[in-house]
Amino acid sequence: DGGITQSPKYLFRKEGQNVTLSCEQNLNHDAMYWYRQDPGQGLRLIYYSQIVNDFQKGDIAEGYSVSREKKESFPLTVTSAQKNPTAFYLCASSISDGGYTFGSGTRLTVV
Amino acid sequence: LAKTTQPISMDSYEGQEVNITCSHNNIATNDYITWYQQFPSQGPRFIIQGYKTKVTNEVASLFIPADRKSSTLSLPRVSLSDTAVYYCLVPFYNQGGKLIFGQGTELSVKP
Repeated sequence: DGGITQSPKYLFRKEGQNVTLSCEQNLNHDAMYWYRQDPGQGLRLIYYSQIVNDFQKGDIAEGYSVSREKKESFPLTVTSAQKNPTAFYLCASSISDGGYTFGSGTRLTVV
Repeated sequence: LAKTTQPISMDSYEGQEVNITCSHNNIATNDYITWYQQFPSQGPRFIIQGYKTKVTNEVASLFIPADRKSSTLSLPRVSLSDTAVYYCLVPFYNQGGKLIFGQGTELSVKP
């Protein structure tokens, strides 16, 4: 079955550590996105990529980094510069006519 | 920054029809309108997508007026399991392909 796989489902990070969240899709979608969701809040765009080897900052990119070396993969690194990283992170992909598919999310907690 | 606008919350009772309206005044000619449902700690799930007039599937109907500046998601005979947050999504291609979420509508269905 085609879809988006996010891993891990739960992730714990110590203060000052970098962590990388995985997002893989086998839908052959060109565009991929990363969102952050805080309790009771909507989704805020962190980074997005419309083609391989290219990506743009979203509304809250500070403290995060991404890469897009392959069409099917768009990993997100939460760096130590992100002061409040505890949140639910969602990855999505889309084709040009707006058919978006979301992963099941990764819940990151700072311990 | 152009965004969609929806009511923050709505209450309903089981068996009633629920209509959720979304405003998207800056919709571009190429934009489709897509609605998603999100349960806590899960990724948003596709409900319905449309471009103009009316679209119906086994889950919902989507009504889009001629000017396309708004859309209405109609859920017939809701049940307790329809309690969720509902988002309308418009790509806003005039913003370089960003995929921006509005606040969403938190629907609470009561027995």
